[in-house]
Amino acid sequence: DAGITQSPRHKVTETGTPVTLRCHQTENHRYMYWYRQDPGHGLRLIHYSYGVKDTDKGEVSDGYSVSRSKTEDFLLTLESATSSQTSVYFCATLQGAGGYTFGSGTRLTVV
Amino acid sequence: QQPVQSPQAVILREGEDAVINCSSSKALYSVHWYRQKHGEAPVFLMILLKGGEQKGHEKISASFNEKKQQSSLYLTASQLSYSGTYFCGTENSGNTPLVFGKGTRLSVIA
Repeated sequence: DAGITQSPRHKVTETGTPVTLRCHQTENHRYMYWYRQDPGHGLRLIHYSYGVKDTDKGEVSDGYSVSRSKTEDFLLTLESATSSQTSVYFCATLQGAGGYTFGSGTRLTVV
Repeated sequence: QQPVQSPQAVILREGEDAVINCSSSKALYSVHWYRQKHGEAPVFLMILLKGGEQKGHEKISASFNEKKQQSSLYLTASQLSYSGTYFCGTENSGNTPLVFGKGTRLSVIA
């Protein structure tokens, strides 16, 4: 689906630097989610949003913050990147039919 | 609580059938199934709501046993294109985020 895009697709950053990942959707979906995917763990929820300025924490929220100032944009910020945050990050939106649509992912490497 | 998927991995020859199970220790409101190919994003296959319904999608179908808190994904007459990792995602009440299992890696060989 071209309706959800993530940027950047790949990023290498240094330990201790802040990093912001962007998720942009054009479908006007209310619910948006950030998951991280690591080998052996599947997809784990970081934060989610149920409307503009309405967000909540997920299972692995420590070290992350989010913002949603517009329906179409959901930003994920790593406040001070650590090597344990090296991962693939997926954004998702909840479709009207009930399933999630995922973005293409951001591969983040913290060195 | 993360749902438990079994098996962790399975190898099939084209035309064979497979069953992937997903079980939860908590009462379920819905179960989702997704397939992810290597290097790509997960893709939604189907959703099952409590009520024990069975749904189908081409030769892939699923059931949901609310009492047993488990769902099964059935792949019949497998094709090479079915290869990938299958995830179940569970929802304990309406409008709560999905909790995903660790996935089942399915490989279909000729």
